[in-house]
Amino acid sequence: DVKVTQSSRYLVKRTGEKVFLECVQDMDHENMFWYRQDPGLGLRLIYFSYDVKMKEKGDIPEGYSVSREKKERFSLILESASTNQTSMYLCASSRSGTAYGYTFGSGTRLTVV
Amino acid sequence: EDQVTQSPEALRLQEGESSSLNCSYTVSGLRGLFWYRQDPGKGPEFLFTLYSAGEEKEKERLKATLTKKESFLHITAPKPEDSATYLCAVQGHPQYNNNDMRFGAGTRLTVKP
Repeated sequence: DVKVTQSSRYLVKRTGEKVFLECVQDMDHENMFWYRQDPGLGLRLIYFSYDVKMKEKGDIPEGYSVSREKKERFSLILESASTNQTSMYLCASSRSGTAYGYTFGSGTRLTVV
Repeated sequence: EDQVTQSPEALRLQEGESSSLNCSYTVSGLRGLFWYRQDPGKGPEFLFTLYSAGEEKEKERLKATLTKKESFLHITAPKPEDSATYLCAVQGHPQYNNNDMRFGAGTRLTVKP
C-alpha cells in the first residue's frame, strides 16, 4: 500500500559530498515536492515540480537542485553537502487542479558530518 | 506572505479529556486548509481539506472546522493512539502567484491512559 517511496530512511554523508535523494510515487500524480523538516521551523519547501522536466524553486532552494525526468520520480540533489543540511527530508506528491492533500513519503533523515 | 500559526505547541490530555487545537492563518485567497497527522519518524498523513468558512469535516474522534481566520481541530474523548503531531497548512489561489502549501509548526499531542 506504499504510495510515495523514498530510497533511504537514514543517510550519513561527509561534508562536500554530492548527495542524491530519490523519491518515487505510484499514483500517477502530476505534482511532486521536496520539503525539509527541522524542530521549531516546521516544513519548508525546497523545490517542486508540476510536470516532467519542470521545476520551481521553493522557499529555501540554495544548495539544492532537483531532477524530474519521469513523471513518477523526483530527485533532490545536494551539490556539496554541508552540516547545516542535516535534516529530515520529505517528498510529497499530489494531483493537479482543485486543492488536494499531499501524500508524503516516510522521510529520509540525513546527517552530514 | 501567507502565514500559519498553530497553538498550543504541545498539549497533554488524559484519555477521554476532549480539547481543541487551533490554527490561525493569513492567505491571499484561500484555496484550501489542510490538516495532517504526523507520527514520530514518519511523514505527515493527510486528514482533511476544508475549502470555505463554515465547513466542517469529521473522522472518528476528530472534527475540523473553518472560519475566515482560523481552523480548529476538535478531539473528542481522545485515546492514547491519537498521540501525534497535528499539522495545519494552507494553500492559496494560483491567481495570487501562491499555490504551494504553507505549513504551521504543528501541535504535539500526548494522550495519557
